[in-house]
Amino acid sequence: DGGITQSPKYLFRKEGQNVTLSCEQNLNHDAMYWYRQDPGQGLRLIYYSQIVNDFQKGDIAEGYSVSREKKESFPLTVTSAQKNPTAFYLCASSIDSGLAPPGFNEQFFGPGTRLTVL
Amino acid sequence: KQEVTQIPAALSVPEGENLVLNCSFTDSAIYNLQWFRQDPGKGLTSLLLIQSSQREQTSGRLNASLDKSSGRSTLYIAASQPGDSATYLCAVPSYLNSGGYQKVTFGTGTKLQVIP
Repeated sequence: DGGITQSPKYLFRKEGQNVTLSCEQNLNHDAMYWYRQDPGQGLRLIYYSQIVNDFQKGDIAEGYSVSREKKESFPLTVTSAQKNPTAFYLCASSIDSGLAPPGFNEQFFGPGTRLTVL
Repeated sequence: KQEVTQIPAALSVPEGENLVLNCSFTDSAIYNLQWFRQDPGKGLTSLLLIQSSQREQTSGRLNASLDKSSGRSTLYIAASQPGDSATYLCAVPSYLNSGGYQKVTFGTGTKLQVIP
């Protein structure tokens, strides 16, 4: 089955801790994204990556870091510098088919990770 | 700056009713528009992607229309079922930088409840 997996489903963090959220896809997609979802707000982009070993900040990158060492994987680290990390985190991917401008293709989402700060 | 609005925020209908969900966007220079479904505590499931050159896209009981000039898209659900209960979001990509990367602006969604 092709798809996007995220782990863990639930994550609890103590104050001052760094935690890493996993995102893996076997869709052979080039681009991957991390979003944050808060109640009553639309999804907000944290980081994105169009290609291996390259990534760019989104709208709310402060307090987060990412890496893209493999095409299939795009882990997100929530650092202690993120002052309000409690949220639902969603990973997505899309293909760059050459039929559309880079990145303008259908996005597919993982099941999400709910992070709670204790 | 693209802004995407979905009204109403919540909708409750009896089973079997046909219904329309609305999505409005401020910048009509869009490339495409995507509709998603989100069940509570779950990720987003892509329902339909409608290109800017299209006026309609259909999948089963779902039909999405797009009117770029008025900045509107509608998602029509025919013969609604309790299993359709979920939050429906629309999303519009736009250029983020000179490299052409898409920034996707999401609406806040319409929470649909279909009552048996």
